Amino acid sequence: KQEVTQIPAALSVPEGENLVLNCSFTDSAIYNLQWFRQDPGKGLTSLLLIQSSQREQTSGRLNASLDKSSGRSTLYIAASQPGDSATYLCAVGGMEYGNKLVFGAGTILRVKS
Amino acid sequence: EAGVVQSPRYKIIEKKQPVAFWCNPISGHNTLYWYRQNLGQGPELLIRYENEEAVDDSQLPKDRFSAERLKGVDSTLKIQPAELGDSAVYLCASRIPPREVFFGEGSRLTVL
Repeated sequence: KQEVTQIPAALSVPEGENLVLNCSFTDSAIYNLQWFRQDPGKGLTSLLLIQSSQREQTSGRLNASLDKSSGRSTLYIAASQPGDSATYLCAVGGMEYGNKLVFGAGTILRVKS
Repeated sequence: EAGVVQSPRYKIIEKKQPVAFWCNPISGHNTLYWYRQNLGQGPELLIRYENEEAVDDSQLPKDRFSAERLKGVDSTLKIQPAELGDSAVYLCASRIPPREVFFGEGSRLTVL
């Protein structure tokens, strides 16, 4: 059974700092991995999707990497802003075209101005 | 293009009452998910549809929960009777695999 762990559970940083969020998974037989952002009382917003054949994906100040063999993904946020404050979740997609998604508990990020 | 639409956004009911949630996925998305999210936790899968077929409902409490996806488009999730422990946010999501998954805003259920 796939298990997904996100570390740290919470993080508080000053504005402008670069930061890394971690996601680890127990079963390396994955199809893809997706990072999401969730604002309080809202649904999940997709940030980046990495297929298992890829090593990383970039969108603006966000960069996600994937090391399938070691069961790890990182989300790098450059030059953090107060608007980045949210919960960040990773979800691992199983081999059936990634359709079986397993989520981590998330990292709560607070960026202080 | 419209995103995943869910209703109602909020629902407060007494225990033992029934409740239903509705989801309209993004047009053309054949995969539809219902997730439940408790406070401070990640979403947990309740049921996954491929078109109108429920292909993964192993975590759906079938004694009180039911779901349907008519014509492979809209979906309804029902709880009858509701228990205190069912208080959570119920999230609907859809996708065209293996592309991105898109979520609705969720339906927050409070059972008193």
